[in-house]
Amino acid sequence: NAGVTQTPKFRILKIGQSMTLQCAQDMNHNYMYWYRQDPGMGLKLIYYSVGAGITDKGEVPNGYNVSRSTTEDFPLRLELAAPSQTSVYFCASSSRDRSRGNEQFFGPGTRLTVL
Amino acid sequence: AQSVTQLGSHVSVSEGALVLLRCNYSSSVPPYLFWYVQYPNQGLQLLLKYTSAATLVKGINGFEAEFKKSETSFHLTKPSAHMSDAAEYFCAVSLTGANSKLTFGKGITLSVRP
Repeated sequence: NAGVTQTPKFRILKIGQSMTLQCAQDMNHNYMYWYRQDPGMGLKLIYYSVGAGITDKGEVPNGYNVSRSTTEDFPLRLELAAPSQTSVYFCASSSRDRSRGNEQFFGPGTRLTVL
Repeated sequence: AQSVTQLGSHVSVSEGALVLLRCNYSSSVPPYLFWYVQYPNQGLQLLLKYTSAATLVKGINGFEAEFKKSETSFHLTKPSAHMSDAAEYFCAVSLTGANSKLTFGKGITLSVRP
C-alpha cells in the first residue's frame, strides 16, 4: 500500500492564482482530513470528510474548498491565493474501526508559497 | 472541547541522556491520546497511542508514555537519546467517539547534542 499520497510536493503561486492540492489514500479509509502547519502553531484542521459526498469545515476553512467524490480522493482547492496561505499542507486519513482509536495516517505534505 | 498543552517549544539533550517531553490535555470525557513525530521535510508518523487500555504505552524507537488521569498528562519519555531522535514531536487528543477529530499541541523540537 502506498498509504496517503499528496501532489505536488512544492508549489509557488502568485497572489490571486488558484490551484488544487491532490490527496489520495489506498487504505479504504472513510475519514479524510486536510491540515495546515505553520511554524510554532502545530496543525490546524481546514476541512474533513466522513465519506464520499460528505464534507465539513474544520477550524480554519476560510479561503479553501474541498470535495469528496470517491472514497480514495480528497482534493483541496485554493481559489484566490493569498500570502496568508503560505504554509505546509498535510492530508490524513483514518479508519472507522474503533479499535484503531481514531489514529490518523499522514501524507508527506505539500509546501506552498504565495508571493 | 478538548485541548493540548505542550510547554516550551524546544528541548535539547545530550546523546545518551533521558528524553522527557511534556504533554497535558483537557477533555470533558476520557480521551484517546497520541504522540506523533515529524522528521525534517516529512509527514507525521505515529509514535504511540493511548486508547484506554494499559496506562503505560510503549511505542516505536524505544519511546513510551504514561497516561495519568489525575494529572491530565501524557508525557513522552525515552531512557537514552540517540542522534536520530532529533525531530519535532506533537501530542494530540481526541474524544473516543467515532470520527472524533484530533486536536494537536503546538509541537516541541528535540535537539540531541553529541
